[in-house]
Amino acid sequence: SAVISQKPSRDICQRGTSLTIQCQVDSQVTMMFWYRQQPGQSLTLIATANQGSEATYESGFVIDKFPISRPNLTFSTLTVSNMSPEDSSIYLCSVPGGGSTDTQYFGPGTRLTVL
Amino acid sequence: KQEVTQIPAALSVPEGENLVLNCSFTDSAIYNLQWFRQDPGKGLTSLLLIQSSQREQTSGRLNASLDKSSGRSTLYIAASQPGDSATYLCAPWDYKLSFGAGTTVTVRA
Repeated sequence: SAVISQKPSRDICQRGTSLTIQCQVDSQVTMMFWYRQQPGQSLTLIATANQGSEATYESGFVIDKFPISRPNLTFSTLTVSNMSPEDSSIYLCSVPGGGSTDTQYFGPGTRLTVL
Repeated sequence: KQEVTQIPAALSVPEGENLVLNCSFTDSAIYNLQWFRQDPGKGLTSLLLIQSSQREQTSGRLNASLDKSSGRSTLYIAASQPGDSATYLCAPWDYKLSFGAGTTVTVRA
């Protein structure tokens, strides 16, 4: 299994500012995933972050709005840029437990409120 | 694009009743399917992982079945308890997880 921590756990931000969310895993993993869960909605994949390469973004998400860093095999950051109230969501990172057929583990999430 | 549908959207049952949660997905080319539980304001807890080659998987009171060819999975929860109250999400994996909207379960004491 993988133990994942995220910082901050929650934040309240002003419109137009940016927030960087950190995701730390207790083991080395090749792939990390960032998800968004808008209020009352299910999870939507934002991007896949592989160490040593550019993140791959899903349709509807762009690098300028959600830049991602992946400096090593245990850490990643997601920045939510130029925030608006529509960005108020829970942001979660996840990693595979091992290989492409194993359990996916999720961090506790970062609850973001934009005023 | 994988589309995942979960039925019903919500379920309220008295304690002790068995629960049946349904999940359907449009693309059967998956490697596995995972069931998660989400408590209000919390992250996701993995309940069961069922591989594409398997027909079912069991853990305690939980049993998940998978019919990959028809794009369906069912989660059975036996003898429900108030602590089972949560939102249950299914997510097939094909190099990424696709989530349904979930089934919100309330078990009344």
